[in-house]
Amino acid sequence: QQPVQSPQAVILREGEDAVINCSSSKALYSVHWYRQKHGEAPVFLMILLKGGEQKGHEKISASFNEKKQQSSLYLTASQLSYSGTYFCGTDVSGAGSYQLTFGKGTKLSVIP
Amino acid sequence: KAGVTQTPRYLIKTRGQQVTLSCSPISGHRSVSWYQQTPGQGLQFLFEYFSETQRNKGNFPGRFSGRQFSNSRSEMNVSTLELGDSALYLCASSPRGSGGQETQYFGPGTRLLVL
Repeated sequence: QQPVQSPQAVILREGEDAVINCSSSKALYSVHWYRQKHGEAPVFLMILLKGGEQKGHEKISASFNEKKQQSSLYLTASQLSYSGTYFCGTDVSGAGSYQLTFGKGTKLSVIP
Repeated sequence: KAGVTQTPRYLIKTRGQQVTLSCSPISGHRSVSWYQQTPGQGLQFLFEYFSETQRNKGNFPGRFSGRQFSNSRSEMNVSTLELGDSALYLCASSPRGSGGQETQYFGPGTRLLVL
């Protein structure tokens, strides 16, 4: 079951904050966040594990609410380089193999 | 360390033909996953290989197949191409393929156009 991301698109001015949500209809074992710029491969941002803590680096952080089966990505004081499409990938099995189901993405545009 | 490499980067084929795409994972990585990316469906999981064995398969028809070699390099094959197979095919590798706990590193992708 594909996770649902919201919003589908957002436009920010430099310095503004944004929140991207990822919701699943199934219990989640982990959530993976990626950013993809146009014409490039997805780049890993962070993993959140069931029972783990909120993660973050620089001005990008994320939380994982197991009860609500959702994760949120927080971008603060956005920079032009944050522009791209953000994907969440969910693992519902917790098994020893790799099978992520990705949301359709949130297109983030940061303008001067 | 060199990243994940994929060849070719671009490919044009006609309906009914078959195609083989190649992926070389990061040195030391034993798990290779393949994804199809289209504007309408987004990123969809095709299959995952670990130590030359397919461990997981997504919801794609049997025309899509793959294999992994002893050096962890992987190939995917699509037979009897259809127009709807036009997409960006991404390969990703991870050390052990423990999906919940590892980072997957993506290659640049192969853009396939079926005419």
